[in-house]
Amino acid sequence: GAGVSQSPSNKVTEKGKDVELRCDPISGHTALYWYRQSLGQGLEFLIYFQGNSAPDKSGLPSDRFSAERTGGSVSTLTIQRTQQEDSAVYLCASSLAGGSSYGYTFGSGTRLTVV
Amino acid sequence: GENVEQHPSTLSVQEGDSAVIKCTYSDSASNYFPWYKQELGKRPQLIIDIRSNVGEKKDQRIAVTLNKTAKHFSLHITETQPEDSAVYFCAATDSNYQLIWGAGTKLIIKP
Repeated sequence: GAGVSQSPSNKVTEKGKDVELRCDPISGHTALYWYRQSLGQGLEFLIYFQGNSAPDKSGLPSDRFSAERTGGSVSTLTIQRTQQEDSAVYLCASSLAGGSSYGYTFGSGTRLTVV
Repeated sequence: GENVEQHPSTLSVQEGDSAVIKCTYSDSASNYFPWYKQELGKRPQLIIDIRSNVGEKKDQRIAVTLNKTAKHFSLHITETQPEDSAVYFCAATDSNYQLIWGAGTKLIIKP
């Protein structure tokens, strides 16, 4: 596609429910990143996928968070048993290669609200 | 590992004046330094970047300078306009060539 596509754009869920957030990167981009951004805050790294390599999960805040990337393209971020502190904008970005010399292209994000 | 510090956290300037945002990094092997602009409610977007073999780069009203010896780089915006109001993020590569981000600077342009 022309850009990084994320869905849904907004998600309101009840505390304790599971949610799935989707990211469709730019075609041909082998690197995919998930970030979390709380209101007025910076970019919190969550997870990084590069091609068929094992993902870098070092930023996942708890075992309630997981992500997968199927076929080297679409990625899904799953949050189980959501808590109010999970409320944030979840941003996905992709890059042409594993190195960052091409910069990242961000999606518009999914605004998650846990009530 | 790489650490990126960004200052100031908030910057308020009069329309038409210049704005300067500074970042320092810790890994001397870093070789790529992009700047992203994030308008309210929007995605971060790349506005300018610089590589370690260059000391300065300009694009119209924005410029970035890099001092490898001191390990700092700066974003300069001249003749600021209301549409420059946004949060600006700097970043630098780590040893795995991934971006490590600064905490962001909220730029406010006063009319």
